[in-house]
Amino acid sequence: GAGVSQSPSNKVTEKGKDVELRCDPISGHTALYWYRQSLGQGLEFLIYFQGNSAPDKSGLPSDRFSAERTGGSVSTLTIQRTQQEDSAVYLCASSFRGGSDTIYFGEGSWLTVV
Amino acid sequence: GENVEQHPSTLSVQEGDSAVIKCTYSDSASNYFPWYKQELGKGPQLIIDIRSNVGEKKDQRIAVTLNKTAKHFSLHITETQPEDSAVYFCAARPVDSGTYKYIFGTGTRLKVLA
Repeated sequence: GAGVSQSPSNKVTEKGKDVELRCDPISGHTALYWYRQSLGQGLEFLIYFQGNSAPDKSGLPSDRFSAERTGGSVSTLTIQRTQQEDSAVYLCASSFRGGSDTIYFGEGSWLTVV
Repeated sequence: GENVEQHPSTLSVQEGDSAVIKCTYSDSASNYFPWYKQELGKGPQLIIDIRSNVGEKKDQRIAVTLNKTAKHFSLHITETQPEDSAVYFCAARPVDSGTYKYIFGTGTRLKVLA
């Protein structure tokens, strides 16, 4: 596609429910990133995928968070048993390859946990 | 690990004046420093970047300077216009064990007053 595509753009969920956020990177990009942006805050690194290498999960805040990338393309970020503090914008980005300079962000998925 | 500090958190300037945003980083191995602009409800977009082998880069009204010794880099916007109003993020890319997670500053909210 023309850019990084994320869905849903907005999600309201009840506390304790599971949510899945989807990211479709730019075609041909092998590196994919997930970041979290809380209201008025900076971008917090969550996880990084590069090709078939083991992902860098060092930024995942708890074991309720997980992510996978199937077929080296689409990625899904899953949050189990959501808490109110999970409310944030979840941004996905991709780049041509790991170490490639420019990463391109999607519009984000706005998650609200009530 | 890498840590990026960004100042100021908010900045108001009169239209036509210059704006300067400063960032410092901690990991001397970081070698790439992009700046992103985020408009309300949008994902961050790259506006300019600089590599560690260059001291300054300019693109029309935007310039970035890098001081490797002091480990700080700055964004300069001249002749500011209302459409420059947005949140600006700096980032550093450390090279650590082959992963390429970008570490972002906390953002600067720039308001250009007409």
